[in-house]
Amino acid sequence: KNQVEQSPQSLIILEGKNCTLQCNYTVSPFSNLRWYKQDTGRGPVSLTIMTFSENTKSNGRYTATLDADTKQSSLHITASQLSDSASYICVVSAGGSYIPTFGRGTSLIVHP
Amino acid sequence: NAGVMQNPRHLVRRRGQEARLRCSPMKGHSHVYWYRQLPEEGLKFMVYLQKENIIDESGMPKERFSAEFPKEGPSILRIQQVVRGDSAAYFCASSSLLLTGEEVDNYGYTFGSGTRLTVV
Repeated sequence: KNQVEQSPQSLIILEGKNCTLQCNYTVSPFSNLRWYKQDTGRGPVSLTIMTFSENTKSNGRYTATLDADTKQSSLHITASQLSDSASYICVVSAGGSYIPTFGRGTSLIVHP
Repeated sequence: NAGVMQNPRHLVRRRGQEARLRCSPMKGHSHVYWYRQLPEEGLKFMVYLQKENIIDESGMPKERFSAEFPKEGPSILRIQQVVRGDSAAYFCASSSLLLTGEEVDNYGYTFGSGTRLTVV
């Protein structure tokens, strides 16, 4: 069964600090992995997307890494801002399937 | 270049009433996906539609729920005889092409802002 597990479930950090969110998956055969940011009351917005051959991708202060061997991904946020407070969702697609598998998300709160 | 438009943003229904949720995909997108998100839960796939066709409804409850995507107009998710357990956020996403796992969509699979359904 395809599964995506995210940790931690929630995280509180101070403004300006860095943080790393984790995603482990058992989706097979792997095709691509996306990280989304979901602000409260809004729809998810794509941050990064990586295929099997990519092991890192950046989008501003967000850097995603992918280890296809260990089936792990991380999202690193540098110099956090208050506006980074949101839920971060890891989504993995399997080859041949049009229904991706969603993680439950990590809730990040950035305090001033 | 409007994104995926969902309306209404908030919908309150009494138990037993019908709820109709609308989704207008991005311009040029002909594939629509509906998801449900319960409080503190992840997004759960419900149904995937192309124009006038239901491709996959494996995530949709067999009773009271239906979806359509007519040739003209928005996609509609319809919930009949709502119950309190239907209270959730319902999100729609659209894409411009059939997305199988091999296709990396740099352009599509965009989400709307959702409809928050509250059943009282």
